[in-house]
Amino acid sequence: DQQVKQNSPSLSVQEGRISILNCDYTNSMFDYFLWYKKYPAEGPTFLISISSIKDKNEDGRFTVFLNKSAKHLSLHIVPSQPGDSAVYFCAARYSGAGSYQLTFGKGTKLSVIP
Amino acid sequence: EAQVTQNPRYLITVTGKKLTVTCSQNMNHEYMSWYRQDPGLGLRQIYYSMNVEVTDKGDVPEGYKVSRKEKRNFPLILESPSPNQTSLYFCASSSAGTGKAFFGQGTRLTVV
Repeated sequence: DQQVKQNSPSLSVQEGRISILNCDYTNSMFDYFLWYKKYPAEGPTFLISISSIKDKNEDGRFTVFLNKSAKHLSLHIVPSQPGDSAVYFCAARYSGAGSYQLTFGKGTKLSVIP
Repeated sequence: EAQVTQNPRYLITVTGKKLTVTCSQNMNHEYMSWYRQDPGLGLRQIYYSMNVEVTDKGDVPEGYKVSRKEKRNFPLILESPSPNQTSLYFCASSSAGTGKAFFGQGTRLTVV
């Protein structure tokens, strides 16, 4: 059972426009959500995160929105740049019984067209 | 420089031949984990460790072992590799209480 879903395997956006990547989750016990970016032949790198008690977090061109009632989060990249072309993974953290785990979605490949 | 180091980066082996993929971090992180990445399946957690001598199964632990004898090291052991363990493997570490994980460069394993 997939607890974190990224339903769009790929997304193409023109340079300078907004990129919106979506993620849905099913477990209401997740307390922290993160986005990771991955280039080919490299490990994922942390991009931005949001606590479940917030609905928005912003860091430069990147903004993450969380809608707890809909169990949905999105990553907005404005303006998109060719260097943003990568695979983006949504992840959710469950904390309980003294330990915690990260559950990842399958990823969305973003292509920013010059 | 803060980093997670995996070795080897690439490995081709034969079915049944025991192998170990090493992982080391220099950030004094309590939490370490192993993931495998497969096409269409994203990142799936194999094992994780909350601290020295504390390990637990992730989502896909079958066929793998881990140990955490020192805080900085978290090796992944395949006692009898099979072709379905051909995959891209990532080690990650993070501080207790945060989800911000640092990942290694990955190990591309092929089992023939």
